[in-house]
Amino acid sequence: NAGVMQNPRHLVRRRGQEARLRCSPMKGHSHVYWYRQLPEEGLKFMVYLQKENIIDESGMPKERFSAEFPKEGPSILRIQQVVRGDSAAYFCASSPPEKRNTGELFFGEGSRLTVL
Amino acid sequence: AQSVTQLDSQVPVFEEAPVELRCNYSSSVSVYLFWYVQYPNQGLQLLLKYLSGSTLVKGINGFEAEFNKSQTSFHLRKPSVHISDTAEYFCAVTGNTPLVFGKGTRLSVIA
Repeated sequence: NAGVMQNPRHLVRRRGQEARLRCSPMKGHSHVYWYRQLPEEGLKFMVYLQKENIIDESGMPKERFSAEFPKEGPSILRIQQVVRGDSAAYFCASSPPEKRNTGELFFGEGSRLTVL
Repeated sequence: AQSVTQLDSQVPVFEEAPVELRCNYSSSVSVYLFWYVQYPNQGLQLLLKYLSGSTLVKGINGFEAEFNKSQTSFHLRKPSVHISDTAEYFCAVTGNTPLVFGKGTRLSVIA
């Protein structure tokens, strides 16, 4: 059973470009969470999605950031018009339906975004 | 809302010595508590969890933690550390909301 797969592992963008980060949850997991880790900081919750639904986006910046988890395919975190402050590691985690909101998450290895 | 405070940002310790990583939480509802470990350039891995029942929880790699409701703490301990335990450790809490993490404690084991 493959783990949570994130790609790309490393992404470099210039200011103003778009960044797209993809996450494929573990097989059988229908809940996906995105977290952002800034240097010397813990992980900050961004968004929680089910297939075709955003359950909780209270941690998402109001502008430039969006997330989706379509019926088919991976979840995507999209950052438009990136700025240097967006440089961070973005982690995706998944959980099976019966463990949603219990904190038992399975994490991917992260996508490290660098904005030049 | 929940919050987590990890009292030490860095903990250096000699190999085979005991270690305690401290975590305090704040919540107005019943909580589930977790410790996750992050090795360099990797994702987080669940170390142990407290959901209910016995307040002493044992996890992987010889770690254990004790849930203390009166002190709102969930400190992580290991009686004898190895070089391979060098990593970042995150305490986390949830009360039926997405997981809230502390800022992490960097454990450095010195040979």
